[in-house]
Amino acid sequence: EVRLVESGGVVAQPGGSLRLSCVASGFTFDDYAMQWVRQAPGKGPEWVSIITWDGGSTYYADSVKGRFTISRDNSKNTLYLQMNSLRHEDTALYYCARAGGTYFFYYMDVWGRGTTVTVSS
Amino acid sequence: EIVMTQSPATLSVSPGERATVSCRASQSVRSYLAWYQQKPGQAPRLLIYDASTRATGIPARFTGRGSGTQFTLTISSLQSEDFAVYFCQQYNNWPPYTFGQGTKLE
Repeated sequence: EVRLVESGGVVAQPGGSLRLSCVASGFTFDDYAMQWVRQAPGKGPEWVSIITWDGGSTYYADSVKGRFTISRDNSKNTLYLQMNSLRHEDTALYYCARAGGTYFFYYMDVWGRGTTVTVSS
Repeated sequence: EIVMTQSPATLSVSPGERATVSCRASQSVRSYLAWYQQKPGQAPRLLIYDASTRATGIPARFTGRGSGTQFTLTISSLQSEDFAVYFCQQYNNWPPYTFGQGTKLE
């Protein structure tokens, strides 16, 4: 069974940092680009970041550029999102998603259950 | 950034009826459009990609059509499990990949 399991979501203070993790199983992790997508309460999904299969290329939404860093460890089948300089508007459910499609024409074909990040003082 | 606009925001339908959800892109996304279903407390699930290709395990009652800037998702005969929120997402112009704001079937 293909699975993505996120962890690391907590209540953090504005300006703080945290790291999210996503462990993949049931497929060959390093065959796929991987993404982070977030969803604020009552809102539609918002794409956050993507990383290629080898970690060689990364892209970010303007809203997180310079503050968040996506990375992966293919030996551990794990995707990460380092989140720095947190803002109230970063409060959301963060999903890890596998990239379906080809060469950046990507949709999200498998999603995890998400991990909740709350930024509050 | 491409803006995706869905209509209507809410669609009131009955089981057995046909439902059609629309999605409009602010500029052409060719056929690089996906549809997702999200039920309360669950992650989105991929239904359709490349505008009209059903994802693995998706029933034939789900049909995606369109190209360029206008797209539709039709559910031919609503089942009780189809009452959910539906999102479209373009992946032609990136970053960012962008989603519509959602249509709730109730």
